[in-house]
Amino acid sequence: EVQLVESGGGLVQPGGSLRLSCAGTGFSFSDHYIDWVRQAPGGGLEWVGRVKHRPTNYVTEYAASVRGRFTISRDDSKYSAYLQMYNLKTDDTAVYYCADIGAGYWGQGTAVTVSS
Amino acid sequence: DVVLTQSPLSLPVTLGQPASISCSSSQSLLHSDGNTHLSWLQQRPGQSPRRLIYRISNRDSGVPDRFSGSGSGSDFTLQITRVEAEDVGVYYCMQGTHWPPTFGPGTKLEIK
Repeated sequence: EVQLVESGGGLVQPGGSLRLSCAGTGFSFSDHYIDWVRQAPGGGLEWVGRVKHRPTNYVTEYAASVRGRFTISRDDSKYSAYLQMYNLKTDDTAVYYCADIGAGYWGQGTAVTVSS
Repeated sequence: DVVLTQSPLSLPVTLGQPASISCSSSQSLLHSDGNTHLSWLQQRPGQSPRRLIYRISNRDSGVPDRFSGSGSGSDFTLQITRVEAEDVGVYYCMQGTHWPPTFGPGTKLEIK
């Protein structure tokens, strides 16, 4: 069974940092891109960014709204991907999902609240 | 960015009746690889999204055959032949043809 499990969410002050993790099991993790998608409270889905796989040299891509503040990485030896978030703003408050949107795999999400 | 528009945004349906959701794209979603990367996602209350349909009309494993997708170019439809109680939730279309991937605003399906 494919599973993506996020962790690391929580409450952080504006301007702060947070690192989310995503552990993947039940599929060939290293062969897949990993996306991060977020959903603000009561809102829709917003693609945040992606880390591609080894054949691409782990290319990363980011939405304009987070570029320069968020960094995505992965460690295939740990079947894990990461979303490092810096200089967080209140607008970043959301549930963050890791996913492979091309394969249709989604995690259960982890909530991030940016508030003073 | 490609803008996806869905209609209706709210869809009250009687149990056992059909339902239809439209998704319209600001650009054609036909990719140079010959595929159209338009998917439909279901998000039940309190749950994460689940993909139902990929590449317009292909059902994911475990998705009931009462769900079907159709369309081409920039206009697409998700149809449910007979709505069941477990179908309550929000339905999103999503495109992966053009960068960045984008999602429609969602259609909230509820039981009348």
